[in-house]
Amino acid sequence: AQSVSQHNHHVILSEAASLELGCNYSYGGTVNLFWYVQYPGQHLQLLLKYFSGDPLVKGIKGFEAEFIKSKFSFNLRKPSVQWSDTAEYFCAASRRTNAGKSTFGDGTTLTVKP
Amino acid sequence: DTEVTQTPKHLVMGMTNKKSLKCEQHMGHRAMYWYKQKAKKPPELMFVYSYEKLSINESVPSRFSPECPNSSLLNLHLHALQPEDSALYLCASSHPSGTVNTGELFFGEGSRLTVL
Repeated sequence: AQSVSQHNHHVILSEAASLELGCNYSYGGTVNLFWYVQYPGQHLQLLLKYFSGDPLVKGIKGFEAEFIKSKFSFNLRKPSVQWSDTAEYFCAASRRTNAGKSTFGDGTTLTVKP
Repeated sequence: DTEVTQTPKHLVMGMTNKKSLKCEQHMGHRAMYWYKQKAKKPPELMFVYSYEKLSINESVPSRFSPECPNSSLLNLHLHALQPEDSALYLCASSHPSGTVNTGELFFGEGSRLTVL
């Protein structure tokens, strides 16, 4: 079965610390990969996406993610977090041939202390 | 702000009531979705409409009935719900017309449903 797993359920960091959130997927075939963010009281929104090409993708607010095909991973990174990055982060994947059916990971709650 | 509008934002209903959730998008997207999200959990796919036709039903109980009147509107009709159906119901859209559907989702703010 297709699945997406996120390694960290809750991460607590101080401002200016570096962030890396793990995401692994178990899909056969070609996949589209996404990171979504849900700030407190706000709607889910796209942070960044990978379809093909350069495996290092950059998103909004200084976030980036690296697709490593051999490891089935799509980890999210940010060199220096801010208090405003406090949010829930979801990794998601879909098969290229059935892009309408995304599977979400369980999410990681990031708390950034000022 | 999101370009996917959901109403109502909050809904409280009894187990015998009939109510509907509404969703509207004006981005020209050809796919629309209903997701269910419980607290501290990821969104769970319920239904997908593609070009106004139901393309995916994730074995959702018949007390949830989706409807897509046109390419911009998506409804979720609710009847005889159970307390465990209380959740945040998210509408999303994707697939700009004339492109390949990448699955990139644009979410509404959700309708928070409480079933008493």
